[in-house]
Amino acid sequence: DIQMTQSPSSLSASVGDTVTITCRASQSSSNYLNWYQQKPGKAPKVLIYAASNLQSGVPSRFSGSGSGTDFTLTISSLQPEDFATYYCQQSYNTPYTFGQGTKLEIK
Amino acid sequence: QVTLRESGPALVKPTQTLTLTCTVSGFSLSTSAMCVTWIRQPPGKALEWLARIDWDDDKYYSTSLKTRLTISKDTSKNQVVLTMTNMDPMDTATYYCARMGYGSGSYPDYWGQGTLVTVSS
Repeated sequence: DIQMTQSPSSLSASVGDTVTITCRASQSSSNYLNWYQQKPGKAPKVLIYAASNLQSGVPSRFSGSGSGTDFTLTISSLQPEDFATYYCQQSYNTPYTFGQGTKLEIK
Repeated sequence: QVTLRESGPALVKPTQTLTLTCTVSGFSLSTSAMCVTWIRQPPGKALEWLARIDWDDDKYYSTSLKTRLTISKDTSKNQVVLTMTNMDPMDTATYYCARMGYGSGSYPDYWGQGTLVTVSS
């Protein structure tokens, strides 16, 4: 199985800041890496698919990059609604695996 | 529009078998390249992928849970069923079903709201 490691596990930031979350795969997942946002009591929502493609309807302040084993999610100009938990997931092959999550909190 | 809705018992006893149903609308389970996947999330913990079933009935399972899981579908009822045997308190979680496409690079684009299952005697 491909293991996904996210860092940091938690992050404090202010509205207007730019933050970066990283995700490392234990072996190459090509560019088949997705990012999700989850708010309390809600299902996850896909933000970025295939490493760098913005899901329809997602604000352009979200961006993704990377390939192989190292990936990043960047959120520019943080908005109040962005404070949530973020997960990466590889969809290169089954079993699909998720990172352990990054909780983004308001400073 | 595409919707998925999970249903099943909110409480099961240890050692029992859990049966969850995902009822879908807005797409067909028999459409080429259409898949449904199950994902769970214990309270306060990370997401965990469980299983996937494809339009052609191919099935894929979590390595650690594959001996306990069975996924199936009833195309005529627009339903996907997940069973998990020998339930344990550690299986307490919110269980989600989601639609996804086929092949590397596909991803769950539509999710159900989730159903919380508690395992307790």
